[in-house]
Amino acid sequence: DAKTTQPNSMESNEEEPVHLPCNHSTISGTDYIHWYRQLPSQGPEYVIHGLTSNVNNRMASLAIAEDRKSSTLILHRATLRDAAVYYCIRSGGSNYKLTFGKGTLLTVNP
Amino acid sequence: DGGITQSPKYLFRKEGQNVTLSCEQNLNHDAMYWYRQDPGQGLRLIYYSQIVNDFQKGDIAEGYSVSREKKESFPLTVTSAQKNPTAFYLCASSIQGWSGELFFGEGSRLTVL
Repeated sequence: DAKTTQPNSMESNEEEPVHLPCNHSTISGTDYIHWYRQLPSQGPEYVIHGLTSNVNNRMASLAIAEDRKSSTLILHRATLRDAAVYYCIRSGGSNYKLTFGKGTLLTVNP
Repeated sequence: DGGITQSPKYLFRKEGQNVTLSCEQNLNHDAMYWYRQDPGQGLRLIYYSQIVNDFQKGDIAEGYSVSREKKESFPLTVTSAQKNPTAFYLCASSIQGWSGELFFGEGSRLTVL
């Protein structure tokens, strides 16, 4: 039970922004929100994570709703190399356990 | 270079044989994890370890075993009791298990003939 809900797939055009949504309505106050992405036949790659405030790094931005029940990963200008499966994960507590769901398959059209 | 290394990358075994997948990290990370991925599916947690000599079952531990005798190493044994062992196996590590970043290896693809 990944406890997050994502669309199965999304499509975007190259050089346009992409907003990938994630619902985590049962999130607790200490749960972090993580995003990873995975290319075929490779291990997942960390993208970004946050707790309450919006976060930015060189790869993406993470916008977290005020009630923390949803978040959005923003790729500001999609490239063909951004085509991957994107996973939204929530984590918390002391058991170090991260559970991945099926994620969102992002297709980027040239 | 620091990183996490899985071996072998590809492995073929006959049904009924045990097989051990290696995972080594030189990142000085405390926590290590094993995940299984089937085609078109997400990752499912098999086992995880927070510290040396301690590990916990994940969501699909049946038919698998692990050990954590050294901080750097977390080998996974796929036993003959695992009914459908053909899959892509991923090892990961992290310095802060519940709030930090997971670093993944490149994976081991096991095919049971």
